Order: sequence, then C-alpha cells, then structure tokens
Amino acid sequence: AQKVTQAQTEISVVEKEDVTLDCVYETRDTTYYLFWYKQPPSGELVFLIRRNSFDEQNEISGRYSWNFQKSTSSFNFTITASQVVDSAVYFCALSEAYGSARQLTFGSGTQLTVLP
Amino acid sequence: EAGVTQFPSHSVIEKGQTVTLRCDPISGHDNLYWYRRVMGKEIKFLLHFVKESKQDESGMPNNRFLAERTGGTYSTLKVQPAELEDSGVYFCASSLQGAINEQFFGPGTRLTVL
Repeated sequence: AQKVTQAQTEISVVEKEDVTLDCVYETRDTTYYLFWYKQPPSGELVFLIRRNSFDEQNEISGRYSWNFQKSTSSFNFTITASQVVDSAVYFCALSEAYGSARQLTFGSGTQLTVLP
Repeated sequence: EAGVTQFPSHSVIEKGQTVTLRCDPISGHDNLYWYRRVMGKEIKFLLHFVKESKQDESGMPNNRFLAERTGGTYSTLKVQPAELEDSGVYFCASSLQGAINEQFFGPGTRLTVL
C-alpha cells in the first residue's frame, strides 16, 4: 500500500523568509512518481512538479526547489524568499509508474501562510 | 484550452437528499478521476474512468455513490441518499493516456450535507 505523510499541518512565515515543506512517502513499488500540487484560496489544484523515482537530482524552478532523497523516502519542497501569493495548501502525492491504476495517493496537505 | 470544469461549485443539501456532481474533463483526455477531501484530511481517490469504462472504483466508499461517464466525455457522480459524512470537496481530474501521469484538476465541488 502507498502512503504519503505531510507532518506539518500549518506553517506561518514572514514574507522573504525561506520555508521547507516536508513530505515522506511509503511504497513497495520500485518505480513511481512523486508530485507536488498547490491549492490556492480559489480552490483548484495546480500542478507544480512531477519526479520519477529514477531521477534523484534536485530541481530548481525560480524560487521553488525540490529535494528528493530515496534513502529517506522524502521529497521536500522549499520556497525561497517567500511571498504573500505563496499562501496556499500544498499537497504531496505519489503514484505508481506502470499499470492501469494511476490514481494519486495524497498527503493531508500543509497550509502555508505567508505574512506581509 | 479550457481546463477541467466542475459544477456546481458549492452544494448544500439535507441528509437523505440526492445530489449530482458534474465534471467536464479537458477535451481529448481519456482518463477521468474523482477524488474527495473530507475536512482537513488527505485527498482520497474514488474512481478512475478510461473513456466510458470504470477502470478502478476501489475508492468508492459505498453503494450510495454512483459514477457514470456516458459517451466517454463528461462524468457525473451521484450521491443518494446523502449522509453527513459525505460532506467535503469533490475533485475531478483528467489526463491523457500514456506513461506519464500528469493529472489536471478541476476547482472542486464543495458539498455540505446538513
């Protein structure tokens, strides 16, 4: 069975601070995908990143960076120089890479509040 | 290109009533998924369509929930009769066929059962 744990329920930071959102996962699959989604106040889930389990390179996209460590089953997300517009709920998710059942297994989300 | 749309955005009903949620996926997306988030908890998978066929409905909580996707386009999720614990946000997502599973989500329908 797959499981995703986001231990941080809520985080508050002041604008321009860096913040890291933790994600730990469990799976028996040797090949899988990891995802991060953002849910702003408007409600929709916005795709941020997909990472294949074979690719452990860290990725940076502007102020966003992701640290994938297979050895600790973690896929953490860092926002550098946070902004008020980053305030949202962030979800980490996992899916198998092959087979017909491609549903996502989500964590419970981390509510990030960036204060001006 | 239009994204995934869901209707209604919010529904408030009384226990025992029936509600039907609708999802219009991105045009050309064969895969359609329903998920649900109960207050403060994780988003949970309900079921997966490939075109008009149910590929996996292992996440459906009970037989009060009925999903259809006639013609392989839009999908409906009916809850009959609704119970208090059905309250939550129902998300629909769609994706293309293929090995890379990038699902595009709709804005969700917030269902409140009183």
